[in-house]
Amino acid sequence: GNSVTQMEGPVTLSEEAFLTINCTYTATGYPSLFWYVQYPGEGLQLLLKATKADDKGSNKGFEATYRKETTSFHLEKGSVQVSDSAVYFCALSLPTTQGGSEKLVFGKGTKLTVNP
Amino acid sequence: DTEVTQTPKHLVMGMTNKKSLKCEQHMGHRAMYWYKQKAKKPPELMFVYSYEKLSINESVPSRFSPECPNSSLLNLHLHALQPEDSALYLCASSQGLASENTEAFFGQGTRLTVV
Repeated sequence: GNSVTQMEGPVTLSEEAFLTINCTYTATGYPSLFWYVQYPGEGLQLLLKATKADDKGSNKGFEATYRKETTSFHLEKGSVQVSDSAVYFCALSLPTTQGGSEKLVFGKGTKLTVNP
Repeated sequence: DTEVTQTPKHLVMGMTNKKSLKCEQHMGHRAMYWYKQKAKKPPELMFVYSYEKLSINESVPSRFSPECPNSSLLNLHLHALQPEDSALYLCASSQGLASENTEAFFGQGTRLTVV
């Protein structure tokens, strides 16, 4: 079946530290890959995406590269800020068999806390 | 406009009440979704509407009843809920077309408490 495995954390870093959150996936077909971020008390926001192998998604200093050979989509940021504190979800998307929609499969989420 | 708007933001209801959650998007998306998220867990898919037709029901109990009145609106009708149904209910939409833009846009959610 389709699944996403990400490091569960929690992860605690000091401001300006380097961040890596590992994510690997299992999928039939060719999924699109996403990182979503959820700030406390809010919904999910799309952080970045990649739709095919070797694509690199980037946004707000975060990056992730779609690695088909290792089935991975690790999230990285060179220098984290206190405002990056949130829960990060890795997800894959595949078309539904009924067509005309996508089905998201989420990892369990990684809580990041950045201290000043 | 890249927003998905959900109302209400918070809802407290008794086990005998009937209430509805509402979701609206004006991005021209043709697929809309309901997800349920318990504390410290990832969202779980409940329903998918594709071109205003229910295409996926992930074995959700009948006390949850979705409705898609038109391509911009999605409702979730609630009746005779249990305390364990308390959760954050998220609405999402996506283009629903064969394109590279497969990402889903999420609303802020409705925090539901069943007492």
